Amino acid sequence: DTEVTQTPKHLVMGMTNKKSLKCEQHMGHRAMYWYKQKAKKPPELMFVYSYEKLSINESVPSRFSPECPNSSLLNLHLHALQPEDSALYLCASSQGWGRQFFGPGTRLTVL
Amino acid sequence: SQELEQSPQSLIVQEGKNLTINCTSSKTLYGLYWYKQKYGEGLIFLMMLQKGGEEKSHEKITAKLDEKKQQSSLHITASQPSHAGIYLCGADIPGTGNQFYFGTGTSLTVIP
Repeated sequence: DTEVTQTPKHLVMGMTNKKSLKCEQHMGHRAMYWYKQKAKKPPELMFVYSYEKLSINESVPSRFSPECPNSSLLNLHLHALQPEDSALYLCASSQGWGRQFFGPGTRLTVL
Repeated sequence: SQELEQSPQSLIVQEGKNLTINCTSSKTLYGLYWYKQKYGEGLIFLMMLQKGGEEKSHEKITAKLDEKKQQSSLHITASQPSHAGIYLCGADIPGTGNQFYFGTGTSLTVIP
């Protein structure tokens, strides 16, 4: 299985809602990533988990809270988001610092 | 500052034409990745180039790494509508805490 899955595919939420994005891989990768991508821009790294521990946090606002329950799962908890947080959120995994495998993304709209 | 700059920013070509996309790094490259993305979708891995002036091909796409110039180029021969999308280079930049950076992206449109 060389696939990274993400759910939901689309999410619309109000600024007072709490929601979560989910990412799963079964390739035995030990590094997992969250990226944010705005329209016509390259993905921007948000968080990196290495061996289930948060290793990189790119100064992301606290309204985004990552969680890695186990080596196959990565969550991104969302709370009190702003309309400017609307974007495509991509999850990726890799074995070490090599090639990253990307999920299809979650299209988030904050009203 | 942007560690990886791509050129051109966008490209519109007639089907069957050849094209080249460049990716230039502000720092020494020890490895570079090329990805393709359809609008609103995930990234598709194309190829990885490692140090040493490596060149790789996949179907009609060829990529080269020139470590002296700190540059990589992606060349598409006889472009097809299926080649349309956004092309992104990416690299681990040494000295930046092993963070992975993407290039600025090149949007390719192929007109049938």
